Amino acid sequence: DSGVTQTPKHLITATGQRVTLRCSPRSGDLSVYWYQQSLDQGLQFLIQYYNGEERAKGNILERFSAQQFPDLHSELNLSSLELGDSALYFCASSVRQGGNTIYFGEGSWLTVV
Amino acid sequence: SQKIEQNSEALNIQEGKTATLTCNYTNYSPAYLQWYRQDPGRGPVFLLLIRENEKEKRKERLKVTFDTTLKQSLFHITASQPADSATYLCALDIHNQGGKLIFGQGTELSVKP
Repeated sequence: DSGVTQTPKHLITATGQRVTLRCSPRSGDLSVYWYQQSLDQGLQFLIQYYNGEERAKGNILERFSAQQFPDLHSELNLSSLELGDSALYFCASSVRQGGNTIYFGEGSWLTVV
Repeated sequence: SQKIEQNSEALNIQEGKTATLTCNYTNYSPAYLQWYRQDPGRGPVFLLLIRENEKEKRKERLKVTFDTTLKQSLFHITASQPADSATYLCALDIHNQGGKLIFGQGTELSVKP
């Protein structure tokens, strides 16, 4: 158990809908990362927050947004969902930025039908 | 363009042998390189971190080397066991990028008894 909690574990939704994925980082970790993993793309970095502020952005679609709240939990919002958004979404956390271990949650499986 | 490449083919070895996995990168200047293990449907788990000024790191049966001139890391598992079967991911932590990790596609390792 990494200490990173993600909900929901599985989600099936229709195209055009909006979903929110939630992440609670390990106790004491200030940095939260979101990754997308699909079969053909591997593990792709989406976005990073540190202590409530956005720190780095990857190839995150405009339909996707995220935030980190004062209690350090984070949410990833996916809207106008398309079939191609079906993937495993991971949240990860670390104590600081750079040069440290990143701990991953077990992921949220999103299936868009 | 920037690339991280790992052994594209799955690696099949006999129990007790040493598994060697390769990670090559181009047009990146990593401050750190990390190796993770991922089991099907699970989140990646941290194994080892090596800094740009380190040549080699060991942890139990694991050894990683890092050659910034060749832009290559080798990951060795000695006395391999069937329980070592998994996908192994290398990841780069780039200077001044806030600690986000850029992952390779991974190498699937299968250890046969």
